[in-house]
Amino acid sequence: EAGVTQFPSHSVIEKGQTVTLRCDPISGHDNLYWYRRVMGKEIKFLLHFVKESKQDESGMPNNRFLAERTGGTYSTLKVQPAELEDSGVYFCASSQGTGNQPQHFGDGTRLSIL
Amino acid sequence: QKEVEQNSGPLSVPEGAIASLNCTYSDRVSQSFFWYRQYSGKSPELIMSIYSNGDKEDGRFTAQLNKASQYVSLLIRDSQPSDSATYLCAVGPRSGNTGKLIFGQGTTLQVKP
Repeated sequence: EAGVTQFPSHSVIEKGQTVTLRCDPISGHDNLYWYRRVMGKEIKFLLHFVKESKQDESGMPNNRFLAERTGGTYSTLKVQPAELEDSGVYFCASSQGTGNQPQHFGDGTRLSIL
Repeated sequence: QKEVEQNSGPLSVPEGAIASLNCTYSDRVSQSFFWYRQYSGKSPELIMSIYSNGDKEDGRFTAQLNKASQYVSLLIRDSQPSDSATYLCAVGPRSGNTGKLIFGQGTTLQVKP
């Protein structure tokens, strides 16, 4: 069974540009999560999809971030326009159920804003 | 006060020893607790989940939960150099349908041959 896959693994862009990250969850997992780790800080929650619906987007930092999950399969996270403080590692996770079910993480996308 | 606190380490133990990793959390009504292991540049890998007070064992790993004292720990018996990694404590949602996990900063473990 394939795990959670994320693309790209690294992205380097200039401030003001747009970047789109992609996440493919484990097949059959309705729940998909985005997290972010900035330098020296803990991993922080961004949002949670159940199928194509946003269940909880309380962690999204501002309206420069747009997450979508059309069709309830893969998800994209777009940052537009990117700012220096957006640099970090963006993780995606998926789980079979909500609440207490264990989440399985991808390797992350390392985003560097110059 | 951080919601989930871990000693960042590094925690250094000799090969074959028991490594003890600790985590405290602030939300008294938290219901689920997870330990993840993360190697540099890799994904957090789930190694233990625990939901009830007491101990849960899986191979060389034992998770311990004490909800009254709001701490959860991970013991690694017979530590191996391959156990050297960062261990992340994550606390699950208090209620409702959100799956939001709250992470500690992680403890770096070094197992010396």
